[in-house]
Amino acid sequence: KQEVTQIPAALSVPEGENLVLNCSFTDSAIYNLQWFRQDPGKGLTSLLLIQSSQREQTSGRLNASLDKSSGRSTLYIAASQPGDSATYLCAPPNSGNTPLVFGKGTRLSVIA
Amino acid sequence: GAVVSQHPSWVICKSGTSVKIECRSLDFQATTMFWYRQFPKQSLMLMATSNEGSKATYEQGVEKDKFLINHASLTLSTLTVTSAHPEDSSFYICSALSPARVRIETQYFGPGTRLLVL
Repeated sequence: KQEVTQIPAALSVPEGENLVLNCSFTDSAIYNLQWFRQDPGKGLTSLLLIQSSQREQTSGRLNASLDKSSGRSTLYIAASQPGDSATYLCAPPNSGNTPLVFGKGTRLSVIA
Repeated sequence: GAVVSQHPSWVICKSGTSVKIECRSLDFQATTMFWYRQFPKQSLMLMATSNEGSKATYEQGVEKDKFLINHASLTLSTLTVTSAHPEDSSFYICSALSPARVRIETQYFGPGTRLLVL
């Protein structure tokens, strides 16, 4: 069964810093992996979906990479802003495609 | 992207009552939906997989007689928490699996339902 670990559990940075969030997973037989954002008390916002055939995916200041062979994915946030403060969740599927399995997340605080 | 709705968004009930939560896929037909639960400061944990026209598949440790799932149509799945107790207070999030489009199927998530049992 897929197990997901996210490091660090929490991160506090000053505004403007570039940062990297790490995710590792145990079952690499996956077709894709998603990164989500969750604001306190809210639902999920999908950020990026990387297919297994891709090595990375970019959306604005966000860049996610996927290394299936090593069971790792990273989310890179450039020029962080206070509005980026949230919990970031990594979610590969249990196997193949679905269902998604979530890590405990990285709680990010960007200080103005 | 695709839209999934949940109703209600908030519910407060007395211990011992039953609560029904609806999950709808608004712009696609979903033969498969998933129900997750999230306790405070914890990750989302899969409770069950809901398949249209058949019985739901529950994850280990989830009581099927307590969490009744009905997926009677291709756009609606319901989760009923029967005889709710304070320990059932949680954030319940559903997800609908879209049909394969560009080779892969994608899960779209509802906004969640926060349940508080007094």
